[in-house]
Amino acid sequence: AQSVTQLDSQVPVFEEAPVELRCNYSSSVSVYLFWYVQYPNQGLQLLLKYLSGSTLVKGINGFEAEFNKSQTSFHLRKPSVHISDTAEYFCAFYYNQGGKLIFGQGTELSVKP
Amino acid sequence: GAVVSQHPSWVICKSGTSVKIECRSLDFQATTMFWYRQFPKQSLMLMATSNEGSKATYEQGVEKDKFLINHASLTLSTLTVTSAHPEDSSFYICSAGTMGEQYFGPGTRLTVT
Repeated sequence: AQSVTQLDSQVPVFEEAPVELRCNYSSSVSVYLFWYVQYPNQGLQLLLKYLSGSTLVKGINGFEAEFNKSQTSFHLRKPSVHISDTAEYFCAFYYNQGGKLIFGQGTELSVKP
Repeated sequence: GAVVSQHPSWVICKSGTSVKIECRSLDFQATTMFWYRQFPKQSLMLMATSNEGSKATYEQGVEKDKFLINHASLTLSTLTVTSAHPEDSSFYICSAGTMGEQYFGPGTRLTVT
């Protein structure tokens, strides 16, 4: 079965510290991978995506993610977080046969001063 | 970038009444739109896939007679919650796009009293 697991439901971190939000997926077919951010009472905004090519993907707001096929992971990183990065982050994948996005459970990033 | 709007952003209705939520793609045509439901502190749950000019495809467990979806044009899909009950209170989000790269609306907060 196709699934996405975000290993941490909550990640508290101090401002200017580095952060990694972990995401693993399970799929028997090729997938496209995404990270979305959701601020309170808002829809989702695309942070970055992996479709093919370089496994290191850079996104908006200084975030980047690395696709690791052997470990079926797509972890999100930022070297120095800001208070404004406090939000819910969702990892997701898409596969052609399914025709829809499969979302992880979400990780709440809380950046403290 | 592509923009998806939703209207209304917030609605309160009485139990037993129906409410319609609109989802519009503002600067692109969307053959397919998706409707999600999100409970507090949870991930997005796909309710249905809306296809322009044809019937929507509902996910397992979603009552098609209760959640009516109409995709009448390439820029508009509507979700009507019929005979709403308090348990239908939730955050409803639509999206549009291709190949998994979805653009999300800002969401509609429905409260049924």
